Amino acid sequence: DAMVIQNPRYQVTQFGKPVTLSCSQTLNHNVMYWYQQKSSQAPKLLFHYYDKDFNNEADTPDNFQSRRPNTSFCFLDIRSPGLGDAAMYLCATSRDSGANVLTFGAGSRLTVL
Amino acid sequence: GQNIDQPTEMTATEGAIVQINCTYQTSGFNGLFWYQQHAGEAPTFLSYNVLDGLEEKGRFSSFLSRSKGYSYLLLKELQMKDSASYLCAVMDSNYQLIWGAGTKLIIKP
Repeated sequence: DAMVIQNPRYQVTQFGKPVTLSCSQTLNHNVMYWYQQKSSQAPKLLFHYYDKDFNNEADTPDNFQSRRPNTSFCFLDIRSPGLGDAAMYLCATSRDSGANVLTFGAGSRLTVL
Repeated sequence: GQNIDQPTEMTATEGAIVQINCTYQTSGFNGLFWYQQHAGEAPTFLSYNVLDGLEEKGRFSSFLSRSKGYSYLLLKELQMKDSASYLCAVMDSNYQLIWGAGTKLIIKP
Protein backbone atom coordinates (compact mmCIF):
# COMPACT_ATOMS: atom_id res chain seq x y z
CA ASP A 1 0.00 0.00 0.00
CA ALA A 2 2.97 2.30 0.46
CA MET A 3 2.68 5.06 -2.12
CA VAL A 4 5.74 7.23 -1.49
CA ILE A 5 8.74 5.15 -0.49
CA GLN A 6 11.99 6.56 0.79
CA ASN A 7 15.28 4.74 1.20
CA PRO A 8 17.12 4.40 3.38
CA ARG A 9 15.00 5.19 6.44
CA TYR A 10 18.15 5.83 8.47
CA GLN A 11 21.51 6.91 7.08
CA VAL A 12 24.67 7.47 9.07
CA THR A 13 27.56 9.12 7.29
CA GLN A 14 30.84 10.75 8.14
CA PHE A 15 31.54 14.43 7.80
CA GLY A 16 32.20 15.15 4.12
CA LYS A 17 31.22 11.69 2.82
CA PRO A 18 28.61 11.95 0.03
CA VAL A 19 25.14 10.59 0.58
CA THR A 20 22.28 9.79 -1.79
CA LEU A 21 18.70 9.48 -0.62
CA SER A 22 16.02 8.02 -2.88
CA CYS A 23 12.29 8.44 -3.26
CA SER A 24 9.86 6.50 -5.41
CA GLN A 25 6.14 6.96 -5.91
CA THR A 26 3.35 4.81 -7.28
CA LEU A 27 0.80 7.63 -7.45
CA ASN A 28 1.82 8.93 -10.89
CA HIS A 29 1.89 12.43 -9.44
CA ASN A 30 3.43 15.18 -11.52
CA VAL A 31 5.15 17.07 -8.71
CA MET A 32 7.85 15.76 -6.37
CA TYR A 33 9.37 17.69 -3.48
CA TRP A 34 12.34 17.36 -1.16
CA TYR A 35 12.05 18.89 2.30
CA GLN A 36 14.56 19.14 5.12
CA GLN A 37 13.11 19.07 8.64
CA LYS A 38 15.07 19.58 11.83
CA SER A 39 13.71 18.78 15.24
CA SER A 40 10.72 20.98 16.23
CA GLN A 41 11.11 23.10 13.10
CA ALA A 42 8.98 23.67 10.03
CA PRO A 43 9.79 21.60 6.96
CA LYS A 44 12.11 23.55 4.65
CA LEU A 45 11.64 23.10 0.91
CA LEU A 46 14.91 22.30 -0.87
CA PHE A 47 13.71 21.47 -4.41
CA HIS A 48 10.68 20.52 -6.36
CA TYR A 49 10.03 19.11 -9.81
CA TYR A 50 6.99 19.68 -11.95
CA ASP A 51 7.41 16.68 -14.22
CA LYS A 52 11.00 17.17 -15.36
CA ASP A 53 11.11 20.90 -14.71
CA PHE A 54 13.49 21.46 -11.83
CA ASN A 55 12.93 24.25 -9.30
CA ASN A 56 15.67 25.11 -6.85
CA GLU A 57 14.77 27.20 -3.82
CA ALA A 58 16.92 30.32 -3.64
CA ASP A 59 18.40 29.49 -0.24
CA THR A 60 19.15 25.80 -0.88
CA PRO A 61 22.91 25.33 -0.42
CA ASP A 62 24.97 24.20 -3.42
CA ASN A 63 25.94 21.15 -1.38
CA PHE A 64 22.50 19.73 -2.18
CA GLN A 65 21.67 18.40 -5.62
CA SER A 66 18.70 16.51 -7.00
CA ARG A 67 17.81 14.26 -9.92
CA ARG A 68 14.52 13.03 -11.27
CA PRO A 69 15.34 10.45 -13.98
CA ASN A 70 11.68 9.52 -14.53
CA THR A 71 8.20 10.20 -13.17
CA SER A 72 8.49 7.64 -10.41
CA PHE A 73 11.91 8.34 -8.94
CA CYS A 74 13.69 11.26 -7.37
CA PHE A 75 17.08 11.44 -5.67
CA LEU A 76 18.66 13.85 -3.21
CA ASP A 77 22.46 14.03 -3.26
CA ILE A 78 24.36 15.68 -0.44
CA ARG A 79 27.85 16.14 -1.78
CA SER A 80 29.75 16.94 1.41
CA PRO A 81 27.55 16.57 4.47
CA GLY A 82 28.29 18.78 7.41
CA LEU A 83 27.09 18.46 10.98
CA GLY A 84 24.39 21.03 10.22
CA ASP A 85 22.90 18.77 7.56
CA ALA A 86 21.79 16.20 10.11
CA ALA A 87 18.02 16.18 9.75
CA MET A 88 14.98 14.28 8.55
CA TYR A 89 14.66 14.47 4.75
CA LEU A 90 11.11 14.18 3.54
CA CYS A 91 10.02 13.39 0.01
CA ALA A 92 6.49 14.41 -0.97
CA THR A 93 4.34 14.31 -4.08
CA SER A 94 1.27 16.11 -5.33
CA ARG A 95 -0.96 15.44 -8.30
CA ASP A 96 -0.35 18.88 -9.71
CA SER A 97 0.94 22.27 -8.76
CA GLY A 98 -1.47 24.60 -7.04
CA ALA A 99 -3.51 23.88 -3.95
CA ASN A 100 -2.97 20.14 -3.89
CA VAL A 101 -2.55 17.88 -0.90
CA LEU A 102 0.98 16.61 -0.35
CA THR A 103 1.57 12.91 0.21
CA PHE A 104 4.74 12.33 2.18
CA GLY A 105 7.10 9.41 2.39
CA ALA A 106 8.18 8.11 5.78
CA GLY A 107 11.39 10.14 5.64
CA SER A 108 15.12 9.46 5.72
CA ARG A 109 16.84 10.42 8.94
CA LEU A 110 20.45 11.49 8.32
CA THR A 111 23.07 11.41 11.05
CA VAL A 112 26.47 13.00 10.38
CA LEU A 113 29.38 11.92 12.56
CA GLY B 1 8.13 38.51 5.21
CA GLN B 2 5.76 35.61 5.41
CA ASN B 3 4.98 34.13 8.79
CA ILE B 4 2.96 31.38 10.42
CA ASP B 5 2.50 31.39 14.20
CA GLN B 6 1.40 28.44 16.28
CA PRO B 7 1.89 27.64 19.97
CA THR B 8 4.96 25.49 20.51
CA GLU B 9 3.35 23.01 22.86
CA MET B 10 -0.04 22.22 24.39
CA THR B 11 -1.18 19.67 26.95
CA ALA B 12 -4.67 18.17 27.20
CA THR B 13 -6.43 15.30 28.91
CA GLU B 14 -7.69 12.13 27.28
CA GLY B 15 -11.37 12.49 26.39
CA ALA B 16 -11.27 16.29 26.43
CA ILE B 17 -11.34 18.89 23.62
CA VAL B 18 -8.39 20.98 22.49
CA GLN B 19 -8.12 23.91 20.07
CA ILE B 20 -4.83 24.61 18.29
CA ASN B 21 -4.59 28.11 16.84
CA CYS B 22 -2.69 29.29 13.80
CA THR B 23 -2.26 32.88 12.65
CA TYR B 24 -0.65 33.78 9.37
CA GLN B 25 0.71 36.70 7.39
CA THR B 26 1.39 35.75 3.79
CA SER B 27 1.60 37.28 0.34
CA GLY B 28 -1.83 36.27 -0.84
CA PHE B 29 -3.81 33.22 0.14
CA ASN B 30 -4.73 30.04 -1.71
CA GLY B 31 -5.75 27.84 1.16
CA LEU B 32 -4.67 26.58 4.56
CA PHE B 33 -3.68 23.02 5.41
CA TRP B 34 -3.38 21.12 8.67
CA TYR B 35 -1.09 18.10 8.89
CA GLN B 36 -0.49 15.69 11.74
CA GLN B 37 3.05 14.45 12.39
CA HIS B 38 3.86 11.74 14.91
CA ALA B 39 7.38 11.82 16.32
CA GLY B 40 9.93 10.60 13.78
CA GLU B 41 7.30 10.09 11.09
CA ALA B 42 6.12 11.94 8.01
CA PRO B 43 3.28 14.49 8.08
CA THR B 44 -0.16 13.23 7.09
CA PHE B 45 -2.94 15.43 5.72
CA LEU B 46 -5.80 16.35 8.03
CA SER B 47 -7.74 19.22 6.46
CA TYR B 48 -7.84 21.99 3.89
CA ASN B 49 -9.74 25.29 4.18
CA VAL B 50 -9.96 27.89 1.45
CA LEU B 51 -13.29 29.54 2.35
CA ASP B 52 -14.28 31.02 5.70
CA GLY B 53 -16.02 28.73 8.11
CA LEU B 54 -15.83 25.38 9.79
CA GLU B 55 -14.99 22.08 8.11
CA GLU B 56 -15.83 19.01 10.17
CA LYS B 57 -14.28 15.61 9.67
CA GLY B 58 -15.07 13.13 12.40
CA ARG B 59 -13.37 14.11 15.66
CA PHE B 60 -11.38 16.82 13.90
CA SER B 61 -12.66 20.20 12.70
CA SER B 62 -10.84 23.11 11.13
CA PHE B 63 -11.93 26.73 11.05
CA LEU B 64 -10.77 29.60 8.87
CA SER B 65 -11.19 33.38 8.97
CA ARG B 66 -9.38 34.95 6.03
CA SER B 67 -10.07 38.51 7.18
CA LYS B 68 -8.34 37.78 10.50
CA GLY B 69 -5.57 35.61 9.07
CA TYR B 70 -6.58 32.95 11.55
CA SER B 71 -7.37 29.26 11.69
CA TYR B 72 -7.82 26.67 14.37
CA LEU B 73 -7.86 22.91 14.52
CA LEU B 74 -10.34 21.46 17.01
CA LEU B 75 -9.81 17.94 18.29
CA LYS B 76 -12.65 16.31 20.23
CA GLU B 77 -12.76 13.17 22.40
CA LEU B 78 -8.99 13.15 22.61
CA GLN B 79 -7.24 9.80 22.46
CA MET B 80 -3.68 8.95 23.46
CA LYS B 81 -2.85 8.34 19.78
CA ASP B 82 -3.58 12.03 19.09
CA SER B 83 -0.29 12.89 20.77
CA ALA B 84 1.63 14.37 17.85
CA SER B 85 2.71 17.64 16.30
CA TYR B 86 0.14 19.56 14.30
CA LEU B 87 1.50 21.64 11.43
CA CYS B 88 -0.34 24.58 9.91
CA ALA B 89 0.66 25.50 6.33
CA VAL B 90 -0.61 28.30 4.10
CA MET B 91 -0.41 28.41 0.32
CA ASP B 92 0.50 31.90 -0.84
CA SER B 93 -0.34 33.71 -4.06
CA ASN B 94 2.48 31.88 -5.89
CA TYR B 95 1.17 28.53 -4.66
CA GLN B 96 4.19 28.19 -2.37
CA LEU B 97 3.49 26.41 0.92
CA ILE B 98 4.53 28.36 3.98
CA TRP B 99 4.85 26.06 7.00
CA GLY B 100 4.52 26.73 10.69
CA ALA B 101 6.92 25.03 13.10
CA GLY B 102 4.10 22.90 14.49
CA THR B 103 2.35 22.54 17.82
CA LYS B 104 3.36 19.56 19.92
CA LEU B 105 0.24 18.16 21.57
CA ILE B 106 0.74 16.07 24.69
CA ILE B 107 -2.22 13.97 25.85
CA LYS B 108 -2.32 12.90 29.48
CA PRO B 109 -4.48 10.06 30.83
